[in-house]
Amino acid sequence: DSGVTQTPKHLITATGQRVTLRCSPRSGDLSVYWYQQSLDQGLQFLIQYYNGEERAKGNILERFSAQQFPDLHSELNLSSLELGDSALYFCASSVAPAGPETQYFGPGTRLLVL
Amino acid sequence: DQQVKQNSPSLSVQEGRISILNCDYTNSMFDYFLWYKKYPAEGPTFLISISSIKDKNEDGRFTVFLNKSAKHLSLHIVPSQPGDSAVYFCAARVTGGYQKVTFGTGTKLQVIP
Repeated sequence: DSGVTQTPKHLITATGQRVTLRCSPRSGDLSVYWYQQSLDQGLQFLIQYYNGEERAKGNILERFSAQQFPDLHSELNLSSLELGDSALYFCASSVAPAGPETQYFGPGTRLLVL
Repeated sequence: DQQVKQNSPSLSVQEGRISILNCDYTNSMFDYFLWYKKYPAEGPTFLISISSIKDKNEDGRFTVFLNKSAKHLSLHIVPSQPGDSAVYFCAARVTGGYQKVTFGTGTKLQVIP
């Protein structure tokens, strides 16, 4: 158990809909990262927050947005969903901004868009 | 464009034997390489890394080899144990671009008792 929690574990929705994925970082971690793992793709970094502020952006679509709240939990909002958004979404956390080797990953949320 | 490729989606090995997982990359700017392990229903965990100034890095039963001229790296697990059964991801990045890590698609290793 990495100490990072993600809810829900599974999500099934329809095209055009909007969903929110939630992440609670490890106690004491200030930095949160979101990754997407699509079918037949490696993990892709989406976005990073540090202590409530956006710190780095990766391959995140404009239909996607995220935020980190004062209690340090983070939410990833996916809107106007398309079939291709079906993927496993991971959240990770670390004490300070760092590379993936020092991040602790949550178990992921599996999103299926029908 | 897959800059990091793991061409074997799966691999089966007998317990006690060597497991060799392979990874190829195309971007010659990559200078730091990592391997991650992922069990079902869990997130990836960092396993071992290697800088491009080295050609080998060892950590217990795990050794990573880097062949820069061939743009190839491999992870050796000796001896393989049933608990090693997992998906292994190869990843690469450019120094300084710590967030711009490119991951491969993973190889599922099954160690048969």
